[in-house]
Amino acid sequence: GAVVSQHPSRVICKSGTSVKIECRSLDFQATTMFWYRQFPKKSLMLMATSNEGSKATYEQGVEKDKFLINHASLTLSTLTVTSAHPEDSSFYICSAREGVGDHGYTFGSGTRLTVV
Amino acid sequence: QKEVEQDPGPLSVPEGAIVSLNCTYSNSAFQYFMWYRQYSRKGPELLMYTYSSGNKEDGRFTAQVDKSSKYISLFIRDSQPSDSATYLCAIRPNNYGQNFVFGPGTRLSVLP
Repeated sequence: GAVVSQHPSRVICKSGTSVKIECRSLDFQATTMFWYRQFPKKSLMLMATSNEGSKATYEQGVEKDKFLINHASLTLSTLTVTSAHPEDSSFYICSAREGVGDHGYTFGSGTRLTVV
Repeated sequence: QKEVEQDPGPLSVPEGAIVSLNCTYSNSAFQYFMWYRQYSRKGPELLMYTYSSGNKEDGRFTAQVDKSSKYISLFIRDSQPSDSATYLCAIRPNNYGQNFVFGPGTRLSVLP
């Protein structure tokens, strides 16, 4: 089945620095990838939709300049948290859609970001 | 009112029990329903999906949709300790361009 690899799985960074998270579709091409944020015991919150070769579409309330998304190829999307602050600490998860079926959404294993 | 509501639990059951997990939703435009399982510190994995009212069975799992009541359920028969996870429902209007709305998840513990 489809596999989405997300890296790193865990990162600790200092306040003010930037962190890049990668999301790769390993055995399929993903024209669309999604980035979510999840707080403890809370639902997945869609942050943005990443489209290959074009600008990402951000959800209301998500700062575009803070969360930079790049989808330069059909198998790779990156999320960069710029000038990270402790309130950015969270679990970030990507997903990719294979084909056109709704059930073709595959999630990465997530990245636990801790900003100290 | 939230678009999708789900009891966060935690729900603890003995091994072998039948588990019932539920979500309610407010928007009658929602037409596509999915259940995901998420182990601790992992990404969600798809368990089942369905478009229509009624039951859909897959092994020990049964998804049930009642559109008139805006109520969906996931039943797990003969529950196992390996079923211990958080279960999230995800719902979407019948429009491929729309995104899914996730419930907050129910944390399930199956005790040996």
